[in-house]
Amino acid sequence: LAKTTQPISMDSYEGQEVNITCSHNNIATNDYITWYQQFPSQGPRFIIQGYKTKVTNEVASLFIPADRKSSTLSLPRVSLSDTAVYYCLVGDMLGAAGNKLTFGGGTRVLVKP
Amino acid sequence: EAQVTQNPRYLITVTGKKLTVTCSQNMNHEYMSWYRQDPGLGLRQIYYSMNVEVTDKGDVPEGYKVSRKEKRNFPLILESPSPNQTSLYFCASSLTSGSSYEQYFGPGTRLTVT
Repeated sequence: LAKTTQPISMDSYEGQEVNITCSHNNIATNDYITWYQQFPSQGPRFIIQGYKTKVTNEVASLFIPADRKSSTLSLPRVSLSDTAVYYCLVGDMLGAAGNKLTFGGGTRVLVKP
Repeated sequence: EAQVTQNPRYLITVTGKKLTVTCSQNMNHEYMSWYRQDPGLGLRQIYYSMNVEVTDKGDVPEGYKVSRKEKRNFPLILESPSPNQTSLYFCASSLTSGSSYEQYFGPGTRLTVT
């Protein structure tokens, strides 16, 4: 199983860059790495997805080293509204039906003024 | 508007009374899934479905049933709810059953079993 490990929490301040690293030692060849953001009592929201090297969109960057055993989500210049739980997700391939997805424990990011 | 809807949003029930939480998506997605979320435990997958009539167990399937008779709907059934199924439930769907997992989540159903 491609389980993931993330820090439980991290604090930051407005305007700083936040980097969250996820470990996924058993990632499969065809798996992608996906990050989600979740606010209290809301469903998770897709942030970014990548397979290797670096991916950037309007809200975040994702860095994936060559061995793909970890990945780092980078949130540039965070604001108070970025306070949320961030989940790293790597796809499993189990069962006759196909994919079984496993969320990590999530990282609670607190942005302070 | 592309979305995943769940009903009801809030439900309080008693032990043993069968209930169904509905989930529907309007994006023609093949993949659908149910998760439960409990404090300190993150999101745990209950069941998933790759397409119509194709379902499989996730990490915590005990006490739940699902069906996928239509592509857009994926109801979660609790035949005999128990207090340990008190939780926040999320339905999700995604476009592809391949290696890309951009999932769209519903707003959640908060279930309390007394």
